[in-house]
Amino acid sequence: DIQMTQSPSSLSASVGDRVTITCRASQTISSFLNWYQQKPGQAPKLLIYAASSLQSGVPSRFSGSGSGTDFTLTIDSLQPEDFATYYCQQSYNAPSYTFGQGTKLAIK
Amino acid sequence: QLVEFGGDLVQPGGSLRLSCAASGFTFSDYVMSWVRQAPGKGLEWVSSISESGGSRYYADSVQGRVTISRDNSKNTLFLQMNSLRVEDTALYYCAKVESGYDYLRLAGYYVMDVWGQGTTVTVAS
Repeated sequence: DIQMTQSPSSLSASVGDRVTITCRASQTISSFLNWYQQKPGQAPKLLIYAASSLQSGVPSRFSGSGSGTDFTLTIDSLQPEDFATYYCQQSYNAPSYTFGQGTKLAIK
Repeated sequence: QLVEFGGDLVQPGGSLRLSCAASGFTFSDYVMSWVRQAPGKGLEWVSSISESGGSRYYADSVQGRVTISRDNSKNTLFLQMNSLRVEDTALYYCAKVESGYDYLRLAGYYVMDVWGQGTTVTVAS
């Protein structure tokens, strides 16, 4: 099974900051990596797919990069609505999937 | 849109059938999945089913205890859960799986692009 490891597990930042979340796969997954945002009491929302493609309707301050085993999600100029938990997901083994453990982004 | 229902409080060893009603897209054209989230925990993929229902996939944690199925004539996805354990307690989401190829980045993708709001399963005595 492919394991997905996110870091950090949590971080605090201020409005306007630039933050980066990393995700590492236990084996190569090419670009089959997605990022989701989840706010309390809500279902996950797709942000980035195929490692670096921005889902329609998602603000351009979100970006993704990487391939193989190492990936990053970057949020430029944090907005109040960005404070949430972020998950990476490998779809290399679709229709079986693995999520990272999540990164909780809190307001400093 | 996806709407889940059927969650309940059940004793260990019991059974439950979850349903997910789909609307707004051609249900039979898409792979569908179940994903769960234990209280205060992360997301865990549970099961997926092919467009026709002919192929089914399960996480090791539920293999042999759950059965995914679908009724394309009624635009409904199901998850039959048997021999329930305390560790099955979670919010269960159904999700539509979109697949394609990004020709700009030369990369394929599979994503869960539509999610329901979830139904809660609690396993406790």
